[in-house]
Amino acid sequence: ETGVTQTPRHLVMGMTNKKSLKCEQHLGHNAMYWYKQSAKKPLELMFVYSLEERVENNSVPSRFSPECPNSSHLFLHLHTLQPEDSALYLCASSQDRKREAFFGQGTRLTVV
Amino acid sequence: GQQVMQIPQYQHVQEGEDFTTYCNSSTTLSNIQWYKQRPGGHPVFLIQLVKSGEVKKQKRLTFQFGEAKKNSSLHITATQTTDVGTYFCAVYNNNDMRFGAGTRLTVKP
Repeated sequence: ETGVTQTPRHLVMGMTNKKSLKCEQHLGHNAMYWYKQSAKKPLELMFVYSLEERVENNSVPSRFSPECPNSSHLFLHLHTLQPEDSALYLCASSQDRKREAFFGQGTRLTVV
Repeated sequence: GQQVMQIPQYQHVQEGEDFTTYCNSSTTLSNIQWYKQRPGGHPVFLIQLVKSGEVKKQKRLTFQFGEAKKNSSLHITATQTTDVGTYFCAVYNNNDMRFGAGTRLTVKP
C-alpha cells in the first residue's frame, strides 16, 4: 500500500532470542531509516542509511544491529533485548534525507 | 532528543469543532513537514512547507509556516471522526528529519 513493506507485523521474543526485522521499499528511494515508537516517547530515529551506507547511529545499544544489503532492503537484527525494548519499530524511506518519508506499517515487538 | 516543541500534547474536541496544533522551534527552519498517524497505523506524510509565510490547504486542513520560519501550525476546520489520530511535525535538523512529540486528537461524535 505505501510502497514500504515490513515483516513481520508482530513479534514476541524472549530476552535470549535472536530475531530480525525486514523492510523492503519499492519506491527507488536512496535513504532508509529505522525508527522506534514507544508509548511514552516521540518517534526516535535509530539508524539512517543513505545509498546503502550507514550515516547515522543515534546512540542505539549494540543489541540492535542494522544491515542494508542494497538500496531496497533494510534489516534490523535483534539480540538479547530487554523488556523496555518493546515498541513499534517503523521503517521508512525517502528520496533523500530532506524529502518526505514513506513509512511501512511497522513491527509491533514485545520482549518477554 | 526532540528538536521541536509541539503543542498541545492532547486535544479532545466535539465533532464539528475546529482543531489546531502548533510546532515551535528556537532556530530557523529550512522546511517543515506534517504527518498523520491513525490509531494502530503508521505515520503518513501530509505536506511540506518551505517558504516563509507559506499557507497551504488540503480540504479542511490548513497548514501555515511562520514568517520567521520558526513555527508552523496545522488547523482543521469542522473536525470529523475520521480526523482522529496523532499529528506530527518534522523538521530538518542534523542532516535528517526529526519528529515532534505529536498532538493526539480525539473527536467525540
